[in-house]
Amino acid sequence: DAKTTQPNSMESNEEEPVHLPCNHSTISGTDYIHWYRQLPSQGPEYVIHGLTSNVNNRMASLAIAEDRKSSTLILHRATLRDAAVYYCILRRETSGSRLTFGEGTQLTVNP
Amino acid sequence: SAVISQKPSRDICQRGTSLTIQCQVDSQVTMMFWYRQQPGQSLTLIATANQGSEATYESGFVIDKFPISRPNLTFSTLTVSNMSPEDSSIYLCSGKDGITHGYTFGSGTRLTVV
Repeated sequence: DAKTTQPNSMESNEEEPVHLPCNHSTISGTDYIHWYRQLPSQGPEYVIHGLTSNVNNRMASLAIAEDRKSSTLILHRATLRDAAVYYCILRRETSGSRLTFGEGTQLTVNP
Repeated sequence: SAVISQKPSRDICQRGTSLTIQCQVDSQVTMMFWYRQQPGQSLTLIATANQGSEATYESGFVIDKFPISRPNLTFSTLTVSNMSPEDSSIYLCSGKDGITHGYTFGSGTRLTVV
């Protein structure tokens, strides 16, 4: 599976936008970009995923670079409940649909 | 999206014994997976639970230690066999939703081996 690189930690202030970056320079054409987050003492939670085009849902937006070698998860207005570890994951259809987790970014939201 | 019920939520076990963890999904999922997460670390995939056949294990994990069953599309079990303190960890199951193609996770089983 292709590897992703994320900052270990980021900080944000409540009610401000947060841009969480992810680099995936070895991405292949069939790799989907998934984002999950894990709140303390819980299992990971699906946030968003995409292939080539930018994606929006009620939780977040996913901006994908034109060459697909990087992506950014955008939380439009951070709340204290958004404090979590955010994982950027590439999923390849040929890998049996499994998700391989990297280290993720620990997001701290300051009141 | 699918909801996964995982139990037990936590257990303390004696070394040398075995523990079976159960996962029940409230709707059909196409695939199910088992992960392990050490405190403060990321998730490591143990295996893919295949319906009606042997699970597919990742490197470093073997069937004798982590036997897995998936008798139907919505239920799977993971057994941690002949436990040692090194097996103390959080174990999570996951399912791939056949409609949204997103992955849902159980809340985890926190296992302590003494």
